Amino acid sequence: AIQMTQSPSSLSTPVGDRVTITCRASQGIRNDLGWYQQKPGKAPKLLIYAVSSLQSGVPSRFSGSGSGTDFTLTISSLQPEDSATYYCLQDYSYPYSFGQGTKLEV
Amino acid sequence: QVQLVESGGGVVQPGRSLRLSCEASGFSFRTYGMHWVRQAPGKGLEWVAFIVYDGSDKYYVDSVKGRFTISRDNSRNTLFLQLNSLRTEDTAVYYCAKEGNDVLPDYWGQGTLVAVSS
Repeated sequence: AIQMTQSPSSLSTPVGDRVTITCRASQGIRNDLGWYQQKPGKAPKLLIYAVSSLQSGVPSRFSGSGSGTDFTLTISSLQPEDSATYYCLQDYSYPYSFGQGTKLEV
Repeated sequence: QVQLVESGGGVVQPGRSLRLSCEASGFSFRTYGMHWVRQAPGKGLEWVAFIVYDGSDKYYVDSVKGRFTISRDNSRNTLFLQLNSLRTEDTAVYYCAKEGNDVLPDYWGQGTLVAVSS
């Protein structure tokens, strides 16, 4: 099974700043990766699919990049509502696997 | 709009069974694959299972293989997850989610809690 390692596990960043979250796969996964945002008590929300494609309705301050084994989620101009836990998910092969999550406090 | 409503969760003793349901509306259920994802209390997300649009292929995480069964009834727009031989480590909120672009889950239900305890 493919292991997804996310970093950092948590961070605190001021409003207006830019933040980058990293996800590393234990083997190459082409561009088969997405990013989710989850707020306490809520279901996850898809932000990015296929590494860099923005899901409909998601603000353009969210962006994704990477290929092979190393991927990043970047949030530019952080807003208070961006406080949440973020997860990557690989859909290259079954079983799919999530990173362990990054808790972001804005 | 897309709606997914899970039900069937509850408190169950180890070794017992439970059947979760996910009623879908707002999209053509029979043309999309469906996922189950779970989240133990205070922990991260764990992908559990996937079934293709017509039920002909199913995939599972290793920890539930042989114990859980994903299925669907396209005539009732409903997804199921049969949980057998439950263990305390299966305690979690179980979410159903619709397949989106690239197979990734896009729309999610609000989840149903399964608590396995003696």
